[in-house]
Amino acid sequence: GAGVSQTPSNKVTEKGKYVELRCDPISGHTALYWYRQSLGQGPEFLIYFQGTGAADDSGLPNDRFFAVRPEGSVSTLKIQRTERGDSAVYLCASSLQGTFTDTQYFGPGTRLTVL
Amino acid sequence: AQSVAQPEDQVNVAEGNPLTVKCTYSVSGNPYLFWYVQYPNRGLQFLLKYITGDNLVKGSYGFEAEFNKSQTSFHLKKPSALVSDSALYFCAVRDWAKAAGNKLTFGGGTRVLVKP
Repeated sequence: GAGVSQTPSNKVTEKGKYVELRCDPISGHTALYWYRQSLGQGPEFLIYFQGTGAADDSGLPNDRFFAVRPEGSVSTLKIQRTERGDSAVYLCASSLQGTFTDTQYFGPGTRLTVL
Repeated sequence: AQSVAQPEDQVNVAEGNPLTVKCTYSVSGNPYLFWYVQYPNRGLQFLLKYITGDNLVKGSYGFEAEFNKSQTSFHLKKPSALVSDSALYFCAVRDWAKAAGNKLTFGGGTRVLVKP
């Protein structure tokens, strides 16, 4: 079946602009996660959704970052007033129920470059 | 807080030789442990996980990993490496304690290079 998909695959923007990154999880998965992977590092957790609600947003670095999942499926990560330090690969993952033993399945990521 | 260490930035191995990628972890409770592989310009692919039970876990593509509680390690192994195994490997941990949340904490990654 189809895996996690993310669009766009690449996004180049200028400092100060607003960007939206989209994630379409595996069909039927109730849990959705966003991670950020900087060059040469492992992914870092940003936010976790169970259904429509953000169950844990402790990884969002500041209030410029916001994510929504209005219908419990597709999610959008929104970044306001982008900074050069926001440049990274943004990874989305989904899991069946969001239990602690669930496997998280990752999408291919969106590479964000802030000039 | 939970953390993962992958002490080797890169591992070089000849094709056909055994491959080991090291991982140690730190959690306040019991760990759930995962290995993922990342190929260039692609997302993370799940290889295997340890939840409970047998300390030796078998996963995809002939990989296995051994959970060692006393050494807080979860090393990834493959008896005979292939050139196609060349990739970036990540170990990740989730603490069973509810307060730790549902997030995975990843190590910094180990690049594996298998030479023909």
